[in-house]
Amino acid sequence: AQSVTQPDARVTVSEGASLQLRCKYSYSATPYLFWYVQYPRQGLQLLLKYYSGDPVVQGVNSFEAEFSKSNSSFHLQKASVHWSDSAVYFCALSINSNYQLIWGSGTKLIIKP
Amino acid sequence: GALVYQYPRRTICKSGTSMRMECQAVGFQATSVAWYRQSPQKTFELIALSTVNSAIKYEQNFTQEKFPISHPNLSFSSMTVLNAYLEDRGLYLCGAREGGQDTQYFGPGTRLLVL
Repeated sequence: AQSVTQPDARVTVSEGASLQLRCKYSYSATPYLFWYVQYPRQGLQLLLKYYSGDPVVQGVNSFEAEFSKSNSSFHLQKASVHWSDSAVYFCALSINSNYQLIWGSGTKLIIKP
Repeated sequence: GALVYQYPRRTICKSGTSMRMECQAVGFQATSVAWYRQSPQKTFELIALSTVNSAIKYEQNFTQEKFPISHPNLSFSSMTVLNAYLEDRGLYLCGAREGGQDTQYFGPGTRLLVL
């Protein structure tokens, strides 16, 4: 069965430091993968998405993610985080032509000053 | 740009009563609308997927009798939570997508508290 796993419920990094949020997926077909961010008391905003081609995809606010078929992963990265990046980040997998999404459990990112 | 609005942002209802929430798409045609629930300490559960001019498909554990949905045109959808109880509390998100496009745009959600 298809699934998305975000193994880290919380990640704490210092402002200016680099960041990696992990996402692993399980799906037998070609995955369509997304990263969304949920700021406090707000809905979801799309950061980036992957369908095919270059395994490194660029997103908004200098986020990028790298797709690895061999590792079944789609980790989110940022070279230098800002305090405003504090939020909950969700990885999601699209499983059919209606783009129904299977969600990870989310990773809460905490930025230390 | 594509925007999705949801009303109300927050609502409180008494146990056993019902409440209706709305989803408005602006800047694109919401051919498909997915309703999700984020319960406390949980991720997003798909309640149902609605496509204009097609039947609404409910996920396991969710029924039309409990969560009736209306999707009358390409910019609007509503969902009612009937006979709400404590386990129905959470953040209800509307995700809308234009036919042929791959990205869902989400509203800010309606947070439901049940007393």
